[in-house]
Amino acid sequence: GAVVSQHPSRVICKSGTSVKIECRSLDFQATTMFWYRQFPKKSLMLMATSNEGSKATYEQGVEKDKFLINHASLTLSTLTVTSAHPEDSSFYICSASKTGKGSNEKLFFGSGTQLSVL
Amino acid sequence: GQNIDQPTEMTATEGAIVQINCTYQTSGFNGLFWYQQHAGEAPTFLSYNVLDGLEEKGRFSSFLSRSKGYSYLLLKELQMKDSASYLCAVRDHRNTDKLIFGTGTRLQVFP
Repeated sequence: GAVVSQHPSRVICKSGTSVKIECRSLDFQATTMFWYRQFPKKSLMLMATSNEGSKATYEQGVEKDKFLINHASLTLSTLTVTSAHPEDSSFYICSASKTGKGSNEKLFFGSGTQLSVL
Repeated sequence: GQNIDQPTEMTATEGAIVQINCTYQTSGFNGLFWYQQHAGEAPTFLSYNVLDGLEEKGRFSSFLSRSKGYSYLLLKELQMKDSASYLCAVRDHRNTDKLIFGTGTRLQVFP
């Protein structure tokens, strides 16, 4: 299989501060990573597609200046929640796309980050 | 637009069979995935359908009808550990692995 590591798993911060979440593919290279947001008891909402070496593609309604995405290498994408507010509190999950033949399970998920903004 | 619907909640008894339905209306279609997610954890892959028909994988089976925009996940011989959310997701772009997730179904298995 393939492993995607996401850190931190939980973060509590004060309103107005910025929080960075890292998503790493540990044993494969990922040219594309995805960031999702999940509210309690709800499904995953795609926020943006992160492409290595180029700008991220944001879904409609997602503020790109609020949620900064950087995909500087083939194994690391970061999501920075800038000037966080309580309404940004949520569960954020990343996934990485592993190219190549074989299993249809080509998308591997990180373990998620629970963000709580006070 | 994109619309993927599932029942919000379902309950079932240990040892029974349960079917979780998913209907979709998307601008394109290149495969449908089912994932299992326990609370606070990452989704884990269960199945993938791109052609019509039934795919069987142990206790879990998944069915797809592209003409009807319909899929279901069938869980047999239910166990307590099957209590989780089940997410239906459609891949709608041929050249990417971008997935659009359904509303998710929370399944509770009782003894």
